[in-house]
Amino acid sequence: QVQLVQSGAEVKKPGASVKVSCKASGYTFTNYGINWVRLAPGQGLEWMGWISAYNGDTNYIQKLHGRVTMTTDTSTTTAYMELRSLRSDDTAVYYCTTTVTSHWAFDIWGQGTMVTVSS
Amino acid sequence: QSALTQPASVSGSPGQSITISCTGTSSDVGSYDLVSWYQQHPGKAPKFMIYEVSKRPSGVSNRFSGSKSGNTASLTISGLQAEDEADYYCCSYAGSSSFVVFGGGTKLTVL
Repeated sequence: QVQLVQSGAEVKKPGASVKVSCKASGYTFTNYGINWVRLAPGQGLEWMGWISAYNGDTNYIQKLHGRVTMTTDTSTTTAYMELRSLRSDDTAVYYCTTTVTSHWAFDIWGQGTMVTVSS
Repeated sequence: QSALTQPASVSGSPGQSITISCTGTSSDVGSYDLVSWYQQHPGKAPKFMIYEVSKRPSGVSNRFSGSKSGNTASLTISGLQAEDEADYYCCSYAGSSSFVVFGGGTKLTVL
């Protein structure tokens, strides 16, 4: 079946970097983009950006520009999200999600990766 | 990039109907029929409930319905059940500058 499986929880110190992976299976990876969405404690969902699995084009939200990089490896059908210069307010559950059913409708979600930033 | 506006909480008794509003602007909800809704239980990933304003993915109960008028979208849940208690988020495409914006989320309590 179509699924996205993410890497495990991470604990990082402020200023460090984290790289979360998202392994796709059950569909043609290069036909759809991968989006990253995060949920911080007590906050709502926040869309972070998108990468085309076809050609690697990316779009990131302005507030993360310069700190986030999204990549894909088509040989392993895996997407990656790296966030640098971590701050305490980056503590959140990070989800990868894709849009098989319709544009900008997030139908398949990974299980989430908890990233904790703490000194 | 401002979040769409949702009520922080709504509640209803089993069997009743509730509606969650989602107010955006003419740059997002008002311009595109690309509004979607997600249900999230604590500790779980969001679940895709409605897309393109009012379409239901296969497997989603027909008790869930969506609509839009102007800059405001709505999710209606009829025949409330205990398992509907969750957080609900709306989402809209916002054009090629902002791309996607979510609502702040609404906590549904089934009394």
